[in-house]
Amino acid sequence: AQRVTQPEKLLSVFKGAPVELKCNYSYSGSPELFWYVQYSRQRLQLLLRHISRESIKGFTADLNKGETSFHLKKPFAQEEDSAMYYCALRFMEYGNKLVFGAGTILRVKS
Amino acid sequence: DAMVIQNPRYQVTQFGKPVTLSCSQTLNHNVMYWYQQKSSQAPKLLFHYYDKDFNNEADTPDNFQSRRPNTSFCFLDIRSPGLGDAAMYLCATSRAGKTYEQYFGPGTRLTVT
Repeated sequence: AQRVTQPEKLLSVFKGAPVELKCNYSYSGSPELFWYVQYSRQRLQLLLRHISRESIKGFTADLNKGETSFHLKKPFAQEEDSAMYYCALRFMEYGNKLVFGAGTILRVKS
Repeated sequence: DAMVIQNPRYQVTQFGKPVTLSCSQTLNHNVMYWYQQKSSQAPKLLFHYYDKDFNNEADTPDNFQSRRPNTSFCFLDIRSPGLGDAAMYLCATSRAGKTYEQYFGPGTRLTVT
């Protein structure tokens, strides 16, 4: 079965430190990968998608098909980045639906 | 603001007592989803509507039903809640052509006593 794995439940970093939230997926075809974010007391929302190759709030993510990974990175963490981050996979055989990972809590300490 | 609204935010029901959760949207999106999320787990898709077309996930228990009387509203009915059905239930919407960009409601926390 196609799965999304986020190996860390919690990632704690200091303000200004680099951040890497890990996401691995299992799918042999051409996937679409996304990161969703949920800030405290806010709704789950789309952060970025791999196909757009854009930087959102300083975050970037590169799809590595060889390693089946889609890690989310930011060079300098800010306190306002503290949130729950979910990686999500979409693939053709599953229609237009998303498969989510279990999420990683990012805590940025001052 | 256009948004996705879920009522109630917290619901307590008794074991076996039917319960209905509601979702409404002002985004005029034609796709609506229901997810179940248990503690520390991924949101799990239960079913979705593409306009009036209902799409059930293969592993969604028969105990879970849904209704979509119009574009704006969607309901999740749990016919006989068990203790294992206690979870956060998330409603989401999307445009048909952008199903990767889902707009989520705040969720309903269901407790089963």
